[in-house]
Amino acid sequence: NAGVTQTPKFQVLKTGQSMTLQCAQDMNHNSMYWYRQDPGMGLRLIYYSASEGTTDKGEVPNGYNVSRLNKREFSLRLESAAPSQTSVYFCASTWWDSGANVLTFGAGSRLTVL
Amino acid sequence: AQKVTQAQTEISVVEKEDVTLDCVYETRDTTYYLFWYKQPPSGELVFLIRRNSFDEQNEISGRYSWNFQKSTSSFNFTITASQVVDSAVYFCAETTGTASKLTFGTGTRLQVTL
Repeated sequence: NAGVTQTPKFQVLKTGQSMTLQCAQDMNHNSMYWYRQDPGMGLRLIYYSASEGTTDKGEVPNGYNVSRLNKREFSLRLESAAPSQTSVYFCASTWWDSGANVLTFGAGSRLTVL
Repeated sequence: AQKVTQAQTEISVVEKEDVTLDCVYETRDTTYYLFWYKQPPSGELVFLIRRNSFDEQNEISGRYSWNFQKSTSSFNFTITASQVVDSAVYFCAETTGTASKLTFGTGTRLQVTL
């Protein structure tokens, strides 16, 4: 079982370029999440999708858009990358959006914006 | 608003020492869940434990133990007889009963040396 798969693992962008981070899970989970991890700040929620067809903002949504393409896939798009978006991005999923459920995380995508 | 504080930024111990990682949380919810995740140098996030707000029993799993005290809003993590493989960043996190959106602490980096 692959679990949660993120692509790409590494990416370097120039300021103003756009890109999409892809996330797919094969666990038939309903809820999916995008977090960013910055030094000294832990992980912060960018966007989430409680179920297929819905998306909601998290703590730090500015500069990002998301698409829940189907039940398996949840993508994160940077329309015009900025150096402040240099970070490690983690996708996660779980059965449904309840505090009782444990999130399964992907391996992370390291993004550098020059 | 929820908040998780991990006051210890970095801890260094010698192998076989015991070490306790502190976690203090703030929430107004009656039902909530607390988590610990481990992030080894390889970067992935590994789930360690989940505890709900109605279960204050301490838990022991091998060399790991957790002390949940609602009176002090703390959920501390102790590693007994630490090993080099325990070297990692450890995150404490909290969520409400109705959603899986985790609020993370800033993490504690544990370095275990020979």
